[in-house]
Amino acid sequence: ETGVTQTPRHLVMGMTNKKSLKCEQHLGHNAMYWYKQSAKKPLELMFVYNFKEQTENNSVPSRFSPECPNSSHLFLHLHTLQPEDSALYLCASSPQGAQAGAFFGQGTRLTVV
Amino acid sequence: AQKVTQAQTEISVVEKEDVTLDCVYETRDTTYYLFWYKQPPSGELVFLIRRNSFDEQNEISGRYSWNFQKSTSSFNFTITASQVVDSAVYFCALPFAPSGAGSYQLTFGKGTKLSVIP
Repeated sequence: ETGVTQTPRHLVMGMTNKKSLKCEQHLGHNAMYWYKQSAKKPLELMFVYNFKEQTENNSVPSRFSPECPNSSHLFLHLHTLQPEDSALYLCASSPQGAQAGAFFGQGTRLTVV
Repeated sequence: AQKVTQAQTEISVVEKEDVTLDCVYETRDTTYYLFWYKQPPSGELVFLIRRNSFDEQNEISGRYSWNFQKSTSSFNFTITASQVVDSAVYFCALPFAPSGAGSYQLTFGKGTKLSVIP
């Protein structure tokens, strides 16, 4: 148990669906992250939030829409995804930037059909 | 440029053998941290160690040990007397601030998949 919880753990969705991934941390961390991990590819950073403000968007397509209502919660809203978006989506948090290390959730395994 | 290279894609060892996972990094920072993470089949990345570039002493934690060599920009990880539960993907990581200090991210290597055979 790392203190970072992601739901759901598994998600299957059609290309026309809209769904959301949720991440929650009660570690008192100020930074939260979304990463994408595809088969045989390195971990890709998608978004970074510091104190609820988005500080990084690594050229992520607009069909992925993050939301950070407070320092403890992070969402990733999904709509009109493509099959190549199937991947493990990992959420992480860190105390004040990643120099202190990041703590990860167990991920959401997303399959787009 | 910030970069982490894990040249070993996959390693298989027989249980009780020792195994070393290599990590080579590039950074423009004069002081920095390095990390190792373990990703078991369940998917979660588990934090193993953080090392400060000031401290080049080797570190040992049970069956795990880390060899940090600043001169060769390497931060290698050794598992002694490996066990089946050590089977996982292991990632080396380096924080960097793409837009200046205060907003650090982690850049990861591609990972090394370790399989320990009973």
